[in-house]
Amino acid sequence: GENVEQHPSTLSVQEGDSAVIKCTYSDSASNYFPWYKQELGKRPQLIIDIRSNVGEKKDQRIAVTLNKTAKHFSLHITETQPEDSAVYFCAATSSGSARQLTFGSGTQLTVLP
Amino acid sequence: EAGVAQSPRYKIIEKRQSVAFWCNPISGHATLYWYQQILGQGPKLLIQFQNNGVVDDSQLPKDRFSAERLKGVDSTLKIQPAKLEDSAVYLCASSFSNRDEQYFGPGTRLTVT
Repeated sequence: GENVEQHPSTLSVQEGDSAVIKCTYSDSASNYFPWYKQELGKRPQLIIDIRSNVGEKKDQRIAVTLNKTAKHFSLHITETQPEDSAVYFCAATSSGSARQLTFGSGTQLTVLP
Repeated sequence: EAGVAQSPRYKIIEKRQSVAFWCNPISGHATLYWYQQILGQGPKLLIQFQNNGVVDDSQLPKDRFSAERLKGVDSTLKIQPAKLEDSAVYLCASSFSNRDEQYFGPGTRLTVT
């Protein structure tokens, strides 16, 4: 099955700086890669996603890049704000008919004021 | 639109007891998922339903866990008997189809003592 590794596990940045979180996946047939933000005690919420026919996608301060050859994808947050502090999870969809999401282990992002 | 509803929000039981969780997905969503999220980890898929049929339950510990979605709407997840290692947040998610964004419920935090 799919295996997703996520780094780093914790990340602290100064407000206004950029943050980058990286994930690798094992199943070369995976074709959908969402990123979820989970604030303490709350549900995961989708913040951006990318499909395998696209190399980069941007939504305001958030961007995701995908390198299918290397089987890795990254989340980029620019001009970070304190409200960006949360746990971020990457995920990859398996190639089977069930299209399960396999999640990474999460990155605790702290934006220091 | 109303989100995914789950109850109870919190549950504390002793090991070897049984417990049941309930999920009401977003209206019209055919696909329903149950995830287990252990503290500090990403959600792990337990079971996926398409309407009232099971699509994938390969990661469900079937000796103690069971789930059903009899009428293709609400779903229940049961653990009997519970073990200490079952302490986790149980998240329900739904999507219009298995190719669409998954929306998560608030989760049920289970503590087994």
